[in-house]
Formats: sequence, C-alpha cells, structure tokens
Amino acid sequence: GQNIDQPTEMTATEGAIVQINCTYQTSGFNGLFWYQQHAGEAPTFLSYNVLDGLEEKGRFSSFLSRSKGYSYLLLKELQMKDSASYLCAVREPYNTDKLIFGTGTRLQVFP
Amino acid sequence: GAVVSQHPSWVICKSGTSVKIECRSLDFQATTMFWYRQFPKQSLMLMATSNEGSKATYEQGVEKDKFLINHASLTLSTLTVTSAHPEDSSFYICSVSEAGGMTTYNEQFFGPGTRLTVL
Repeated sequence: GQNIDQPTEMTATEGAIVQINCTYQTSGFNGLFWYQQHAGEAPTFLSYNVLDGLEEKGRFSSFLSRSKGYSYLLLKELQMKDSASYLCAVREPYNTDKLIFGTGTRLQVFP
Repeated sequence: GAVVSQHPSWVICKSGTSVKIECRSLDFQATTMFWYRQFPKQSLMLMATSNEGSKATYEQGVEKDKFLINHASLTLSTLTVTSAHPEDSSFYICSVSEAGGMTTYNEQFFGPGTRLTVL
C-alpha cells in the first residue's frame, strides 16, 4: 500500500530553523513535492525533488534520499507567516501525474 | 503558475440534496484535473482523476455514483455530490495538471477550495 508519514505538529520560534521530515513507502516514485497550505486555503507549491540531494530555494530547501524513502523540508529564518501546514506528496509514475499526499505537518511559529 | 478557480467557495445544503462544484482552469488547457477531499486537520485525500472527454478514474473507496464528475472541456470540470449527507461535509479542492507539460515540474495547481456543509 501507500504510506507517507510526517509529524503531525511542530512548533518553532521566529528567526529559527525547522526541519520537517517525510518518510514514504509507495508502490512507485516519480518525484516528491512539498506544498504549503494556510488554513482554509489552497495548497501552494514549494519544492520538487526527483533526484537525490538538496534543492535550495531562498529560505526553503528540500532534500531527498530515494534509497531511504526519506525527504525533509528545511525552513530558515522563520517568520510568523510561515505558520501553516506543510504537505509532502509523492507522484506516482506511469504518466498519471497523480499525487499521494502525506499526513501533513502543522507548523506553529511563535514570536 | 496556473490560475484555478472554484465555485462556489462555500455552500450549505440540506441532507438529501445534490450540490455541484465547478473547477475552472483560467489560463491554460487542463487535460487532467484532480478532485480532493480534506477533513479538518487532515491532509488531502485524492477522490478521482478527471480526464477531458472521458470517464473519471475514482480512487478505491470513493463511490462514483455519489460523486459525479464531468470534464466536458479543457477548462472546466464539475463535481456533483448527490444525495448529500452530513458525513459528506468537507473541504473539496480541485487541481489541474497542464497539457503538454509546459510547467517546470508538471506540478499541480490547486483551486481555492469549496467548503461544503450538509445539515
């Protein structure tokens, strides 16, 4: 079956660094996405990894290890507006473009 | 990125009635649209994949006769919740995948969601 796990909740302080982990066990793999979702809003795209290694994009970085079925999202210089849910999603292969979402991590940033 | 709209943004209906939710891709042609359901404090659960001009593909456990999907054009897909019940109350979100893969990662773009409350 498909299994994508994330911590349910995390807290951090403004200006700090936080790492949100995602482990997956899926029948296929064609890339991993991270999305941010504020309460009651649509998810917005943050990052994409398909090869092993680190992808950096401003304050956000994402890492992937395919052999370990593991990814993390690193958020630096946290701001209050970063309080949101962070969703890890694995794309299935065979050109379906279908995404299987993880359980999601609610991040609360405190001043 | 692509702009996706949904209508209505929220709806309240009585138990037993049907509700139609529209998903529109405003600035590109979407051969594929996805419908998700999200319960409070939970992640997105894929309900079905909507393909333009053909029947939708439903995920296991999703009743196709209850959640009717029509993808009549490259810019519009509709989800109709038939004979809605309180347990169908949820946040319904659509997403689009661009035809021809012109986006960098073939990422999905999400609509703003529709909050359905069934009394």
